[in-house]
Amino acid sequence: EPEVTQTPSHQVTQMGQEVILRCVPISNHLYFYWYRQILGQKVEFLVSFYNNEISEKSEIFDDQFSVERPDGSNFTLKIRSTKLEDSAMYFCASSRGVNQPQHFGDGTRLSIL
Amino acid sequence: AQSVTQLGSHVSVSEGALVLLRCNYSSSVPPYLFWYVQYPNQGLQLLLKYTSAATLVKGINGFEAEFKKSETSFHLTKPSAHMSDAAEYFCAVTTPNNNDMRFGAGTRLTVKP
Repeated sequence: EPEVTQTPSHQVTQMGQEVILRCVPISNHLYFYWYRQILGQKVEFLVSFYNNEISEKSEIFDDQFSVERPDGSNFTLKIRSTKLEDSAMYFCASSRGVNQPQHFGDGTRLSIL
Repeated sequence: AQSVTQLGSHVSVSEGALVLLRCNYSSSVPPYLFWYVQYPNQGLQLLLKYTSAATLVKGINGFEAEFKKSETSFHLTKPSAHMSDAAEYFCAVTTPNNNDMRFGAGTRLTVKP
């Protein structure tokens, strides 16, 4: 069964550095998402992406964050200048259409030092 | 905006006992509701979904959930717990043509032998 894959599984970065988290969504899916889960807390929606543009974003997704689909397969989340509070598990998801079930990757654990 | 509340951050049952995980939603329009399961160090896996068809929804691994509009609930049940059911369970809600999926805080299910 096709899967969403995320790399790396664990990223350690110094505060203030830029970080890019990578995701390969399921190939015939059209909608892409990023979520984060701070340790011990709920999964929080960050952004959804469709037709090469952001379709929705939450209040968490500020100017520090950006998303991109640089080619036909990858979907990336960039954090420009990381802060300690950005430490979390970041999940990528994709779906075939709006309101269709979202398929999640295994996540990237981001640790900011 | 839509939201869900999961009652009970931790539920413990004996193997073979009934599993009941509670979820109540809030939405100004008819919701779409989902249950996801998260095993340690993994992403979220869809258990089942309700998208305005049958109110009793059957999912994978023997789980089912019933949409009750009068109670604004979407509780998850399984008649007989198995050790492999031990995981974190998340209820989530979205609305038609809306990609902003909101998750509950999660319920950790422990199964005792």
